[in-house]
This record gives sequence, structure tokens and C-alpha cells, in this order.
Amino acid sequence: FLLTQPHSVSESPGKTVTISCTRSSGSIASNYVQWYQQRPGSSPTTVIYEGYERPSGVPDRFSGSIDSSSNSASLTISGLKTEDEADYYCQSYDSINQEVFGGGTKLTVL
Amino acid sequence: QLQLQESGPGLVKPSETLSLTCTVSGDSISSSAYCWGWIRQSPGKGLEWIGNICHGGSTYYNPSLKSRVTISVDTSKNQFSLNLNSVTAADTAVYYCARRGRYPGVPDEFDYWGQGTLVTVSS
Repeated sequence: FLLTQPHSVSESPGKTVTISCTRSSGSIASNYVQWYQQRPGSSPTTVIYEGYERPSGVPDRFSGSIDSSSNSASLTISGLKTEDEADYYCQSYDSINQEVFGGGTKLTVL
Repeated sequence: QLQLQESGPGLVKPSETLSLTCTVSGDSISSSAYCWGWIRQSPGKGLEWIGNICHGGSTYYNPSLKSRVTISVDTSKNQFSLNLNSVTAADTAVYYCARRGRYPGVPDEFDYWGQGTLVTVSS
């Protein structure tokens, strides 16, 4: 299956942005979805795991959700800060342990 | 504090085999709660999962790379390795190793990543 993300999104500081991740086949709810943040020159770090859980240290401005009707997951970042500017990747897997990453979304905070 | 460190040649010739090792410190690679994976990122592109090795030695590979990939583990050295054969320029990428929680009781995510190592395929 594929995970499709918008190539880029942009928003102003203080605003809220939502990044979608649509699963092409199989139910989005059947396997957990994770979201990773990757800043230039750095390794990815988890901002959301298991759909909506936040690792310790990730601010509650980051939230995740699942919408079965559109077969998609979403990452929402509220109160945008310039430090949130990064690439964001969704990731999930299937019943035979095949991992899939979305193509990534470049978030610009301007 | 768990740390992962990739090591291996930064330059590989076309048609040869790319070999990388990930050394894990701060946790036992034999832990039954985790798998250990390889992910790559071509210059300016997104993340591509290569494969995982899990407790008991079970391996899972990206179908698009399966015919060329082998992931193995050396518990005595607390390392796991990637071999990718018959490489081409398309295999030029930053290669990351990572820990993957995939069993009950641990978060379902790639939670720790190495810093990544750039491998260039060129003659």
C-alpha cells in the first residue's frame, strides 16, 4: 500500500496546520500510524506514535488523529513556531510486517 | 541512553555490494521487545524502508529491494548489518539504522535512529 501526503504546506506563526496521510489500500485503522519530524541534516524523530500518542518532550501543540471515512491520518500542529519548520513523514505497516513511509511534507512557517 | 552508530564505506562501485554495520550501545540487541531496521534517504528525497530484523532472527524486507538485501545480527558484538548487492547510482543515499518497537508493551515506532551515513555509488 501507499501513504500519500501533500508535498508542502505553509502557514504563519501562531496558526494551526494539518498534514494529511492517506492510505491507498487497507484500513488506516488496522495498523498504527506514526509521524516523524526531520530537520535539515538531522535524523527523524517521533512526534506522534500509535496514531495520537506523544513521546515525552514533544509539546502538546502536536496532535494526531485517524479518519476512517477518508482512510487517512492527520498531524495537527497548533500555535506554530518557526522551529516547527521541517519535513514530516507518516509511517505505518501491514499485516506481513512491511513498513511504509509517506512521501513527506515540507512545512514552511512564514 | 541508547545510541546507534552506522559504519561502513562511504563509496561503493557500481555492481558491487554495499555493506554497513549498526553498533548499538545502551541496550541489548537481543531484546525480545524490539526489531532493528534500516531506512535510507536519497539526496533530496523521502524516507524509504529497507528492512527489519526481529527477535529470533526473523527478517522483513521492502519488496522492491528484497532480491538484493540481507540483514543480519551479531549478538556477540551487539551489532546488526545490511548488505545490498548489485548496487547502482540509484542506491546512493543516507542510510539510517533504527530501533523499532513491535511487541506489546513498547511504543509502536522507530524510536531511536543513528545519525545516518552517506553512501555514494560511483566508479
